Amino acid sequence: ETGVTQSPTHLIKTRGQQVTLRCSSQSGHNTVSWYQQALGQGPQFIFQYYREEENGRGNFPPRFSGLQFPNYSSELNVNALELDDSALYLCASSQRGGGKNIQYFGAGTRLSVL
Amino acid sequence: QQQVKQSPQSLIVQKGGISIINCAYENTAFDYFPWYQQFPGKGPALLIAIRPDVSEKKEGRFTISFNKSAKQFSLHIMDSQPGDSATYFCAATPIGGSNYKLTFGKGTLLTVNP
Repeated sequence: ETGVTQSPTHLIKTRGQQVTLRCSSQSGHNTVSWYQQALGQGPQFIFQYYREEENGRGNFPPRFSGLQFPNYSSELNVNALELDDSALYLCASSQRGGGKNIQYFGAGTRLSVL
Repeated sequence: QQQVKQSPQSLIVQKGGISIINCAYENTAFDYFPWYQQFPGKGPALLIAIRPDVSEKKEGRFTISFNKSAKQFSLHIMDSQPGDSATYFCAATPIGGSNYKLTFGKGTLLTVNP
């Protein structure tokens, strides 16, 4: 186990609704990254948070937003849900610095948009 | 735009055989290449990683071969076991930059028959 926990594990929403996903990072890690993994695909980078600020963003629209808290936990918010948002959302934590980028992933939140 | 191309999409190997998964990248800024293993219902877990200053790295039954001039790298699983059956993802990142996002391949579903 990586020590990265995500909640909830599964979620069903309807098109147009809003959703919040949560992630607790591994102890000692100060950076959280979020990825979207569509069925049968590799994870796609959404954005990363470091010191409570967004630090890099992938090719995702502004309706995908996030937060990082002082304890380094994080939230991913998605507004105006679309059917294509159905995917596994993965959170990864890491420790910035030292020349390493070992990202530890949680088990993910499976989001279904109907 | 797929920056990391992975093949094959699926692979069936007999127990004791060698599994080989290949990846190619385009972005010359990439300089850290991890492989992740993902079991159903779990998040990706770091398996082994390599920097381009070496051509090969071995950890137990797992070996990464790296060809910088060809911009290709591969994972070899020796003495493959049924417990190795999982989806494998290659990834890449420009570790020297402030944005440590991982760019993943599409994954290879490995099945090891007993």
